Amino acid sequence: QKEVEQDPGPLSVPEGAIVSLNCTYSNSAFQYFMWYRQYSRKGPELLMYTYSSGNKEDGRFTAQVDKSSKYISLFIRDSQPSDSATYLCAMSAGGFKTIFGAGTRLFVKA
Amino acid sequence: DTEVTQTPKHLVMGMTNKKSLKCEQHMGHRAMYWYKQKAKKPPELMFVYSYEKLSINESVPSRFSPECPNSSLLNLHLHALQPEDSALYLCASSRQGYGYTFGSGTRLTVV
Repeated sequence: QKEVEQDPGPLSVPEGAIVSLNCTYSNSAFQYFMWYRQYSRKGPELLMYTYSSGNKEDGRFTAQVDKSSKYISLFIRDSQPSDSATYLCAMSAGGFKTIFGAGTRLFVKA
Repeated sequence: DTEVTQTPKHLVMGMTNKKSLKCEQHMGHRAMYWYKQKAKKPPELMFVYSYEKLSINESVPSRFSPECPNSSLLNLHLHALQPEDSALYLCASSRQGYGYTFGSGTRLTVV
């Protein structure tokens, strides 16, 4: 079993839809939870990070962490074609190792 | 300056060549990383430098040799690579051990 599981998609939605991206994990030591966005042929860009459980909102993006279920989510409201990218969840126990999910490819159709 | 700059952006090298990848950041981050990413795969950790000292080597073959000359610079020296080493090589930095700033990467092709 992988430490972090993420459905690779692809996920295709119409413009304006609410997008839900999810990851599950098995290591209860993870404390820091991140979401990165990666456009084709570019490096990943940190979108949000959350410490421990709870919600965090930044503009159209909301990150949720449920440590009891070992489940994290990223919601994108009013999705735009420019949101089309690969979204990587990532987790850390606080050291220098971050474990990445496989990435979900998202396509937002105009 | 909130960027990690990587050079070159593209590199084609033969299996007998020696080349180096360079990475620079001026955000005062004390941790710097090398990652390797194959197409449609997540980044894989290769090396971590903390305060200019190598703290993690993920059992990377010796044909990859990292170097951290100072707190702003990170190099990856390449020698006798194999075609399967072709990938996107990403440099990243962070203030703590999470929440990285990545560079745009060097797309390496070994022929």
